[in-house]
Amino acid sequence: AQTVTQSQPEMSVQEAETVTLSCTYDTSESDYYLFWYKQPPSRQMILVIRQEAYKQQNATENRFSVNFQKAAKSFSLKISDSQLGDAAMYFCAYRPVKAAGNKLTFGGGTRVLVKP
Amino acid sequence: GEEVAQTPKHLVRGEGQKAKLYCAPIKGHSYVFWYQQVLKNEFKFLISFQNENVFDETGMPKERFSAKCLPNSPCSLEIQATKLEDSAVYFCASSQFRAENTEAFFGQGTRLTVV
Repeated sequence: AQTVTQSQPEMSVQEAETVTLSCTYDTSESDYYLFWYKQPPSRQMILVIRQEAYKQQNATENRFSVNFQKAAKSFSLKISDSQLGDAAMYFCAYRPVKAAGNKLTFGGGTRVLVKP
Repeated sequence: GEEVAQTPKHLVRGEGQKAKLYCAPIKGHSYVFWYQQVLKNEFKFLISFQNENVFDETGMPKERFSAKCLPNSPCSLEIQATKLEDSAVYFCASSQFRAENTEAFFGQGTRLTVV
């Protein structure tokens, strides 16, 4: 069974600074996707970034980037130039490629606090 | 529609009452998923559908939970005889049929409070 672990329940960052959220996962699949979702107080789940396991290049989306280490099964998210609007819960998630109907497996989440 | 629409946003039920939640997936999406987010923020997968057919129901507590996706109707998740532990936010998500380069789009959730 696949598992996703986020070891940091909460992280605090000063506005304009950088914060890195960690995520590790366990799977026997070779082809899969990894995701970071943001959940602000509104509860809306917002996809921040996606990584395909077959791609060696780390995904980036503006101020968000990942460090994907397939052998170590590690998938960390770096938020650069943190803004007040980045304050939210962040969830790491995994899905096998095999079918779009495969469910997402989520980590327990990391709360990010941004200090002005 | 262009977004996953969940109704109602909030639902309060007394213990033992029935609760029914609805989800209209994005038009053209083949898969629908239900997840339960409990107060500790953990997401638990409940069930998924490929069109009207159950795709994966490994997360469903079979005794009191049931779900349907019928043609031309919103999908539904029903909880018979609710318990205090059913209090959670229930998310619906939908995705396209293809496996590659596709993502799940989430609704805003229904917060169920059992009192």
